[in-house]
Amino acid sequence: EPEVTQTPSHQVTQMGQEVILRCVPISNHLYFYWYRQILGQKVEFLVSFYNNEISEKSEIFDDQFSVERPDGSNFTLKIRSTKLEDSAMYFCASSERRGSYGYTFGSGTRLTVV
Amino acid sequence: GDSVTQMEGPVTLSEEAFLTINCTYTATGYPSLFWYVQYPGEGLQLLLKATKADDKGSNKGFEATYRKETTSFHLEKGSVQVSDSAVYFCALTPNTGNQFYFGTGTSLTVIP
Repeated sequence: EPEVTQTPSHQVTQMGQEVILRCVPISNHLYFYWYRQILGQKVEFLVSFYNNEISEKSEIFDDQFSVERPDGSNFTLKIRSTKLEDSAMYFCASSERRGSYGYTFGSGTRLTVV
Repeated sequence: GDSVTQMEGPVTLSEEAFLTINCTYTATGYPSLFWYVQYPGEGLQLLLKATKADDKGSNKGFEATYRKETTSFHLEKGSVQVSDSAVYFCALTPNTGNQFYFGTGTSLTVIP
């Protein structure tokens, strides 16, 4: 069964450093997403991406965050200058079309900012 | 705004016990409702879903019924197994837009 692959599974970074989280969506999917879950809290939507541009973003997704699809397969989330409160599990997801049909999540990257 | 509230955990049950995890939602219009499961070290996997009122989603012995009158989508299983130990997330998508709104997750541990 097709999977969304995220790397690394766990990343530790120092406060103030830039970090890039990587995702390989399912190959025929056109919509891409990032979510995050701070420990003990809800999984929260960050951003959706379609046709090489952001289609929706939440209040959490401020200027510190950016997303990119640098080639035909990867979808990345960059945090420019990490803060302690960025420590969370970050989930990538993709879907074939708009809506919940075929929405598939990756296994997540646990980011720890120290 | 749209939101989901689910039962706090953790929940510990003996094998073959009955499981209920409560979930209620707030949404405008007619959202679709979901239960996702996360096994240790794995991603969020779709367990079941319902897209309109009175629909029942079911999978692997789990069931949930979309109750618009009580804005609920409680997850049930008649007889849990050790292999059901995981974190369960209730979620919704609004009838417009394509982002998910999740609950906080409920950790279930089933002991032999």
